[in-house]
Amino acid sequence: GIQVEQSPPDLILQEGANSTLRCNFSDSVNNLQWFHQNPWGQLINLFYIPSGTKQNGRLSATTVATERYSLLYISSSQTTDSGVYFCAGRGNTPLVFGKGTRLSVIA
Amino acid sequence: DSGVTQTPKHLITATGQRVTLRCSPRSGDLSVYWYQQSLDQGLQFLIQYYNGEERAKGNILERFSAQQFPDLHSELNLSSLELGDSALYFCASSAGQGGTGAQYFGPGTRLTVL
Repeated sequence: GIQVEQSPPDLILQEGANSTLRCNFSDSVNNLQWFHQNPWGQLINLFYIPSGTKQNGRLSATTVATERYSLLYISSSQTTDSGVYFCAGRGNTPLVFGKGTRLSVIA
Repeated sequence: DSGVTQTPKHLITATGQRVTLRCSPRSGDLSVYWYQQSLDQGLQFLIQYYNGEERAKGNILERFSAQQFPDLHSELNLSSLELGDSALYFCASSAGQGGTGAQYFGPGTRLTVL
């Protein structure tokens, strides 16, 4: 099945800093999503982005399907951005999640 | 709020017991998925139902079973519980059969087996 690799595994930022999270896939996917799991455990949909670029406020994402990777950009980070960011993709298999990037934003 | 509801939020039980987790999908969604998130295994797909029929199966133990009812809500039954079954169980839903389109996750049920 598809392997999903996320980097970096951990990230500590000062409030106001920008960051880029990366997700690599071992095979083509036709469904790619980014999620934020907050400290209370809730999984929040950020983007459904099988290809192209999308923006939502301070967050944006780009997927280059032909090269099997996706990037999540967080600008002007805030303490409320802390948590774990997951990407997940599926091809002919059910949705497969990466191990996540744990982000800590410090005031 | 994703529109997917799950009950209960928390469940504490003992080894050997049986529990039922419930999920209501977003209005109009026909697919329901169950996932398990544990510390050692991460987020793993368990099973998918589409319009009442089982559509895909993942790493679901034989002690676990699920079904989707005519009103499209789903239940995940966990029996002969072991300590290792302690985890966060998520339900998700999507409009189609799951090949494309976003999946929306509920708030999860945190199961603790003592």
